[in-house]
Amino acid sequence: NAGVTQTPKFQVLKTGQSMTLQCAQDMNHEYMSWYRQDPGMGLRLIHYSVGAGITDQGEVPNGYNVSRSTTEDFPLRLLSAAPSQTSVYFCASSYNRGRPPTDTQYFGPGTRLTVL
Amino acid sequence: GQQVMQIPQYQHVQEGEDFTTYCNSSTTLSNIQWYKQRPGGHPVFLIQLVKSGEVKKQKRLTFQFGEAKKNSSLHITATQTTDVGTYFCAGRGSWGKLQFGAGTQVVVTP
Repeated sequence: NAGVTQTPKFQVLKTGQSMTLQCAQDMNHEYMSWYRQDPGMGLRLIHYSVGAGITDQGEVPNGYNVSRSTTEDFPLRLLSAAPSQTSVYFCASSYNRGRPPTDTQYFGPGTRLTVL
Repeated sequence: GQQVMQIPQYQHVQEGEDFTTYCNSSTTLSNIQWYKQRPGGHPVFLIQLVKSGEVKKQKRLTFQFGEAKKNSSLHITATQTTDVGTYFCAGRGSWGKLQFGAGTQVVVTP
């Protein structure tokens, strides 16, 4: 199993550009989520999905869109990039949500995004 | 706002010393998870605690869940350079989502 994969690893955008961060998992996990990590802020939830066709907002959803057409893929779209979106983005998946011990999170390697 | 608080934010430790990092929630948690992130890496799951007063050990790491299920601690004995990184707690509470603390960044001095 490859686990959770993310592409690209690094990206530089100009303000106003749009792009999609890709995330895929091959563990047949129901639950997938996107986090951003900023210094001193920990990991903040952007959007999450409890299964194909179902998504919901997290703590910091503004400026981001998601969709979940398959169990495996959960792309994150930046609609119009802003410097405040400069961050490290992690995708994570778990077997399910809220039922231990199967709700532990498996993180991808991250995408380091800079918006100029 | 953040509902899971983690202290300290930074911890400088001499190799061989012990240290503890704490995680506190304003509400009762159903479970708490701990993750470690090496510099430049991604968070990796360490352990999950579910029961009130639960204590689990992984070699030199001891994890505790408070009796009221509102706090947790991670204690590392005889710190080694391999312990360098940021340790996150993540609590799942009545709000349903997994809430991460801001993390404790650990620096080890040889």
